[in-house]
Amino acid sequence: AQRVTQPEKLLSVFKGAPVELKCNYSYSGSPELFWYVQYSRQRLQLLLRHISRESIKGFTADLNKGETSFHLKKPFAQEEDSAMYYCALRGGAQKLVFGQGTRLTINP
Amino acid sequence: GAVVSQHPSWVICKSGTSVKIECRSLDFQATTMFWYRQFPKQSLMLMATSNEGSKATYEQGVEKDKFLINHASLTLSTLTVTSAHPEDSSFYICSAMGTSGSDEQFFGPGTRLTVL
Repeated sequence: AQRVTQPEKLLSVFKGAPVELKCNYSYSGSPELFWYVQYSRQRLQLLLRHISRESIKGFTADLNKGETSFHLKKPFAQEEDSAMYYCALRGGAQKLVFGQGTRLTINP
Repeated sequence: GAVVSQHPSWVICKSGTSVKIECRSLDFQATTMFWYRQFPKQSLMLMATSNEGSKATYEQGVEKDKFLINHASLTLSTLTVTSAHPEDSSFYICSAMGTSGSDEQFFGPGTRLTVL
């Protein structure tokens, strides 16, 4: 079975502080992991995926197969980073399984 | 970029009626579309996968006779909630994956259904 766990429903940090959104997964095969972001009153959009190993808007995420984690990190948070973040896993058949989401609030 | 639209953005209906939600890929052809349901403050749950020209594949626990999905063209998929009841009230989101070789899913803005 595929499962994605985001342990924090809410996360609040100050502007300029580092931020880490946690994501753990359960999957017997070789997964593809994604982070999606939903800004206020906007649709869900892809932020980054582990296979691209990119840094998008200053965010990075490393797949740790030993710890079955895919935490999202940014060294210096900005106010515009406030949004809902979803970790997602794709196993077979192109289906995405989403975590519960973490609402990130960046305080000025 | 790839854009997916949904219509209507919100709908209110009476219990027992049927409601149709459209999902369109505006600037690309989508061989596969997905329908999700999102309850308040909860995650997206996949309901079904829709491939153009074939029957949809429903997730376990999703009633295919209640949630009718049609993917008649490469740019349009519809979800019909039949004989809607208040418990069907939810946010319905579609996503589409194109034919270009990219496997990225592009999401629609969602449709809020309220059944009275």
